[in-house]
Amino acid sequence: EAGVAQSPRYKIIEKRQSVAFWCNPISGHATLYWYQQILGQGPKLLIQFQNNGVVDDSQLPKDRFSAERLKGVDSTLKIQPAKLEDSAVYLCASSLGTVYNEQFFGPGTRLTVL
Amino acid sequence: AQSVTQLGSHVSVSEGALVLLRCNYSSSVPPYLFWYVQYPNQGLQLLLKYTSAATLVKGINGFEAEFKKSETSFHLTKPSAHMSDAAEYFCAVSDRETSGSRLTFGEGTQLTVNP
Repeated sequence: EAGVAQSPRYKIIEKRQSVAFWCNPISGHATLYWYQQILGQGPKLLIQFQNNGVVDDSQLPKDRFSAERLKGVDSTLKIQPAKLEDSAVYLCASSLGTVYNEQFFGPGTRLTVL
Repeated sequence: AQSVTQLGSHVSVSEGALVLLRCNYSSSVPPYLFWYVQYPNQGLQLLLKYTSAATLVKGINGFEAEFKKSETSFHLTKPSAHMSDAAEYFCAVSDRETSGSRLTFGEGTQLTVNP
């Protein structure tokens, strides 16, 4: 079974530029999550989708971050404009549903903002 | 609000020694608790989870954890460390009643295994 796919794996941009990350979850997984993991910290949930609807985006900085999950499958996370403090690993995860099921994580995208 | 505290950001053991990684949680309702492992440049992998069945939970790679409500703890142990256990370990909590499946992670513990 294929795991959660993410691209790109690495991205370096300058502050005030825009960047987008892509995630393809495990086939059949209804719930998709985006986490931000700053160096030396645990992952922090940014947004959670159930199919193509948002379940929780309370920790998403909506002035600069946006995410969508069209057709309830793959998802994109965008940052516009980027700040230095956005340097982190962005992890995508998926699970079968919102009632607790194991979350499967992708390898992440490491973003460096200069 | 739920939270977890991992005691010790770095733990170092010798190969073959006991591994003990500490996690204490704070939750207003009975939680789900998890341990994840992260190898360099990889995503997180679930080691084990507690969901209110047996308080002693066995996971992959010989790890286990015991849920102790009186101590609000969920410490991770392994009787004999192997070099391949070197990684970062995260404890996480989910408030099953109010936040669906949102996970709140601790800061992580980096495990070093010395030959």
